[in-house]
Amino acid sequence: GQQVMQIPQYQHVQEGEDFTTYCNSSTTLSNIQWYKQRPGGHPVFLIQLVKSGEVKKQKRLTFQFGEAKKNSSLHITATQTTDVGTYFCAPPAGGTSYGKLTFGQGTILTVHP
Amino acid sequence: NAGVTQTPKFQVLKTGQSMTLQCAQDMNHEYMSWYRQDPGMGLRLIHYSVGAGITDQGEVPNGYNVSRSTTEDFPLRLLSAAPSQTSVYFCASRRTQQDWSPLHFGNGTRLTVT
Repeated sequence: GQQVMQIPQYQHVQEGEDFTTYCNSSTTLSNIQWYKQRPGGHPVFLIQLVKSGEVKKQKRLTFQFGEAKKNSSLHITATQTTDVGTYFCAPPAGGTSYGKLTFGQGTILTVHP
Repeated sequence: NAGVTQTPKFQVLKTGQSMTLQCAQDMNHEYMSWYRQDPGMGLRLIHYSVGAGITDQGEVPNGYNVSRSTTEDFPLRLLSAAPSQTSVYFCASRRTQQDWSPLHFGNGTRLTVT
């Protein structure tokens, strides 16, 4: 079955430093979504990537989808305390099947002011 | 619009008790799902539904039942609670099964089984 590994599990940074989390799949993905969960909150959709090699930006956040569509990354430039939370990648179960959306284990980001 | 509404927010059960976690959405979404979140495990899919009258199992369905009698509601039933079911439960919905639109999550139910 599909294995999705998200690394690192934890990341502690000083405010202003950059942050990157990676999501790696054992199978080719039709698309991948990214979510953010603030402490004590619920996951909130950030973005969806569909095309091979796709790069999308949202202010200080840069999302990439690998050429082989087996990996993805989220990069935050110059972190702020508002970036604190857990970031999840969410590919479809089985790589391409409709319906089920699986989630990586998440990367917990803490930002020290 | 309220979005996805979950009740209760907190619940404590004794082992063997049963209960129903409620989930309702007012966005006319066809697809609804239940996840549980445990530390270090991410979100794991319990059950999902692609429309009224249709449900299917996710990754961790054992010990849970669901039904979908209306488009709006998707309750999750714990038949006989066990300590291993202590978790945070999230209900999530999206427009359809096929379109991969974003999942909208409820605020969660924190369940403790003693």
